[in-house]
Amino acid sequence: GIQVEQSPPDLILQEGANSTLRCNFSDSVNNLQWFHQNPWGQLINLFYIPSGTKQNGRLSATTVATERYSLLYISSSQTTDSGVYFCAVVGLGDDMRFGAGTRLTVKP
Amino acid sequence: DAGITQSPRHKVTETGTPVTLRCHQTENHRYMYWYRQDPGHGLRLIHYSYGVKDTDKGEVSDGYSVSRSKTEDFLLTLESATSSQTSVYFCAISESYTGTSGTNEQFFGPGTRLTVL
Repeated sequence: GIQVEQSPPDLILQEGANSTLRCNFSDSVNNLQWFHQNPWGQLINLFYIPSGTKQNGRLSATTVATERYSLLYISSSQTTDSGVYFCAVVGLGDDMRFGAGTRLTVKP
Repeated sequence: DAGITQSPRHKVTETGTPVTLRCHQTENHRYMYWYRQDPGHGLRLIHYSYGVKDTDKGEVSDGYSVSRSKTEDFLLTLESATSSQTSVYFCAISESYTGTSGTNEQFFGPGTRLTVL
């Protein structure tokens, strides 16, 4: 199946800093989603972005499908942004595959 | 938020006992999924359903069975629980699988934490 790699695995920021999380995938996809898993374990949908660019408040995402990567940008980070960010993709004729996640800690 | 509930939310059981987890949706979505999440891993697909009584295996299906008798309910059964099935189980739903007939964006339930002693 399709391989998904996320980087960095861990990220520690001061409140107010900006960050970029990366997701590389090994084959063509017809779905790419970014999730935030909060400290209570809930998976929150951030973006459905198989291609193109989207923005939602302080978060934005870009997927370059032809080069097989996606980026999640977090600006002016807040302590409530802490948690694990997952990229998940669906390859053609395949099931959803998750990356191992990026654990973000935002310090006050 | 998508209307997805899971029950129970927490369960502790002993090795060899049967366990059934329930996922209930109010969105009338055709596709439903069961995943497990273990430390150091993202989520991995166990089984999915593409309609009432229609199910298929995922990446880690050994030791699990599923049933879907109604659009809104998808059950995951561990016939004889083992310690390796200690995990957090998530249910998900989507309108479509490929994205050609509705979006294939997946929405997740709150999860069930299962401990097998």
